[in-house]
Amino acid sequence: SAVISQKPSRDICQRGTSLTIQCQVDSQVTMMFWYRQQPGQSLTLIATANQGSEATYESGFVIDKFPISRPNLTFSTLTVSNMSPEDSSIYLCSVEGTQGKETQYFGPGTRLLVL
Amino acid sequence: LAKTTQPISMDSYEGQEVNITCSHNNIATNDYITWYQQFPSQGPRFIIQGYKTKVTNEVASLFIPADRKSSTLSLPRVSLSDTAVYYCLVGTAISSGSARQLTFGSGTQLTVLP
Repeated sequence: SAVISQKPSRDICQRGTSLTIQCQVDSQVTMMFWYRQQPGQSLTLIATANQGSEATYESGFVIDKFPISRPNLTFSTLTVSNMSPEDSSIYLCSVEGTQGKETQYFGPGTRLLVL
Repeated sequence: LAKTTQPISMDSYEGQEVNITCSHNNIATNDYITWYQQFPSQGPRFIIQGYKTKVTNEVASLFIPADRKSSTLSLPRVSLSDTAVYYCLVGTAISSGSARQLTFGSGTQLTVLP
């Protein structure tokens, strides 16, 4: 299975600022995903990031707010821009898994608090 | 998108079998059903996946009726360490370049009591 790390693990930020979250995988993967999990809630897919192409965003998420980079097959970043308290959440990256169709390995998440 | 519905919470005692059902009435032909387990402060972890009928692995069984409009995750002889949130996910890959349609259910908080 893939080992995924995320940086930072947690952060407290001021509103109006931006935070870039890093996701590193120990093996090359084609597809990486970014999710948001608000306190006590389920996971919501933000976008799919393929290496060498623009990220594909889900309804309700836009590139200006959540720009994503995917410079190579083991790394991706998600930026939360112009943050507000409503952006306080856990942000998780995941990669395609090998356990079956459409399975995923998830990172530990980045816990973000916006004041 | 295939929307899923799960019970919000369930309690069980150690050693019992636990069955968690997920409804997905508008599942598409190409959709697979996947269950994940999530502990606090961790990312979800894959448990089991199925397309139809029954699937069993070393940790769980997954029962899917012929109409595929629901699925049941069965955990045999649960222990305290099985206390977690369990998510049902229905999804499929869209053609290259399109957004994947991966919808997590609301999750079921399973609490195993001694």
